[in-house]
Amino acid sequence: GQQVMQIPQYQHVQEGEDFTTYCNSSTTLSNIQWYKQRPGGHPVFLIQLVKSGEVKKQKRLTFQFGEAKKNSSLHITATQTTDVGTYFCAGRHTGFQKLVFGTGTRLLVSP
Amino acid sequence: ETGVTQTPRHLVMGMTNKKSLKCEQHLGHNAMYWYKQSAKKPLELMFVYSLEERVENNSVPSRFSPECPNSSHLFLHLHTLQPEDSALYLCASSQSQGLSTGELFFGEGSRLTVL
Repeated sequence: GQQVMQIPQYQHVQEGEDFTTYCNSSTTLSNIQWYKQRPGGHPVFLIQLVKSGEVKKQKRLTFQFGEAKKNSSLHITATQTTDVGTYFCAGRHTGFQKLVFGTGTRLLVSP
Repeated sequence: ETGVTQTPRHLVMGMTNKKSLKCEQHLGHNAMYWYKQSAKKPLELMFVYSLEERVENNSVPSRFSPECPNSSHLFLHLHTLQPEDSALYLCASSQSQGLSTGELFFGEGSRLTVL
């Protein structure tokens, strides 16, 4: 079936360190979205990538969509304690409307 | 503050009870969704309504029954649930155009515990 794999499942970093989470699909994605869910909260949309090789930045966050449109990454530079939460990618497989969520990467940042 | 409101926020029910979860969106979107979020599992899509018509039902057991009376309201009726149905139930809305779905706006969720 359509699946989107995300790694790592969990990462604990010291404040100021960088962090990256990766999202992979076995089939081509028409687009990919990223969401952040704070502990006890609900997923909040961060960004959508549509074009092959697309790179978008939001302050310390850099999002990439692979050339083959089968993978994506989210990189956070110099993490802060406010970055704590679970980051989900969600991909839409080409030809399908359904958005498939990855398993999420839980980020813990120690001061 | 979210444009999608869910009630109740917390619900505890026995396996023989009947209860309903309610969702209301104030964003003028044309699609609404129910997702289930369990520990250590990805968000599972349960139902999708587009223009008040159910367009997706992901093999969800019949003990979950959705209802979408209009484009702003979505219900999830619960009947004879099992303990493994305990989870966070998230409602979301989006503006859809054909096969293209915009970003999802989630409610804060209803935390369900089945005893």
